[in-house]
Amino acid sequence: GENVEQHPSTLSVQEGDSAVIKCTYSDSASNYFPWYKQELGKRPQLIIDIRSNVGEKKDQRIAVTLNKTAKHFSLHITETQPEDSAVYFCAASYYTGANSKLTFGKGITLSVRP
Amino acid sequence: DAGVTQSPTHLIKTRGQHVTLRCSPISGHKSVSWYQQVLGQGPQFIFQYYEKEERGRGNFPDRFSARQFPNYSSELNVNALLLGDSALYLCASSLGGTQYFGPGTRLLVL
Repeated sequence: GENVEQHPSTLSVQEGDSAVIKCTYSDSASNYFPWYKQELGKRPQLIIDIRSNVGEKKDQRIAVTLNKTAKHFSLHITETQPEDSAVYFCAASYYTGANSKLTFGKGITLSVRP
Repeated sequence: DAGVTQSPTHLIKTRGQHVTLRCSPISGHKSVSWYQQVLGQGPQFIFQYYEKEERGRGNFPDRFSARQFPNYSSELNVNALLLGDSALYLCASSLGGTQYFGPGTRLLVL
């Protein structure tokens, strides 16, 4: 089955700096890669996703890049703000139209220092 | 707009009891998935239902079961509760593979 790993497990950045969170996956058949942000005591919130036919996707301060050959994808957050502090999860799935099981990484705690 | 809803929000049970968790998907979403999230870990897949049929099952014992109703809402049942079943149970509804999570049910087994 699919295995998703996240590196590093914690990340601390100064407000205004950029943060990069990396994930690797094992199943080359995976074709959908979402990123979720989870604040303490709240639900995972989808912040951006990418499908395997695209190499990069951007939404304001957030971008995701995908390298299918190396089987890794990364979340890039620019101009970080204290409200970006949270746990970030990457996930992978092989979406077929009816089946959409997500395999998650263990999460990275991002701390943005004011 | 109405997101994914789950009930109850919190639940305390004792070992050996049974629990039923409920989920209502976003209107128009026909797929519902269940995940277990223990403290400090990412969500782990339990079940997926699409058009009332089971489409996937994770590595969980037979004590876990689920079903989806004609209105696409879903129930997760857990029998013979163990202390290790204490977790946040998340429901996600999906359209086109994109999954949106509900607020979860926090289950504590004593």
